[in-house]
Amino acid sequence: DTEVTQTPKHLVMGMTNKKSLKCEQHMGHRAMYWYKQKAKKPPELMFVYSYEKLSINESVPSRFSPECPNSSLLNLHLHALQPEDSALYLCASSPDREKLFFGSGTQLSVL
Amino acid sequence: GESVGLHLPTLSVQEGDNSIINCAYSNSASDYFIWYKQESGKGPQFIIDIRSNMDKRQGQRVTVLLNKTVKHLSLQIAATQPGDSAVYFCAEKTMNRDDKIIFGKGTRLHILP
Repeated sequence: DTEVTQTPKHLVMGMTNKKSLKCEQHMGHRAMYWYKQKAKKPPELMFVYSYEKLSINESVPSRFSPECPNSSLLNLHLHALQPEDSALYLCASSPDREKLFFGSGTQLSVL
Repeated sequence: GESVGLHLPTLSVQEGDNSIINCAYSNSASDYFIWYKQESGKGPQFIIDIRSNMDKRQGQRVTVLLNKTVKHLSLQIAATQPGDSAVYFCAEKTMNRDDKIIFGKGTRLHILP
């Protein structure tokens, strides 16, 4: 299995909702990443997990809460988001913390 | 500050011609560079990488050139095909910044028939 799988592909939520984005890989990669991508912009780094420990938080607001329950799974818990948080959320994994393997993303709309 | 960016937002190339996509970076401490291709509705896909101790690396139909003197990176695609239509991002990593991989602005490559 050489894929990074993200679910759901699309998500619409209200500003008072709580939702979670999920990411899964079975390539044995020990580094996992969350990026946020607005339309026509490059991906922006949010969080990095290395060996299931949070190694980087790019000053992301606390309404985004990452979780790495095991080496294959990465979650991003969302609560009280704002409309400006609408974006494509990309998960990636890496065998060496250099080459990234991306999923297809979750397109999030906050109403 | 540091940034990785591209000179042109859109590049139109005739099918069969060679494409050259450029990237400028400002952090002289960057030591690893990567090119990604992102097609519509998909995540970025790794194309080719290069370390700062090299100035050229070739893959299948792609070549990356690194000029550290002027902090410039380029991606050359030979015999451009319709399937090459995508947005291309350069990205950088700095050795002393562990796991951070930072993306540049992106260039949309448009293939003319």
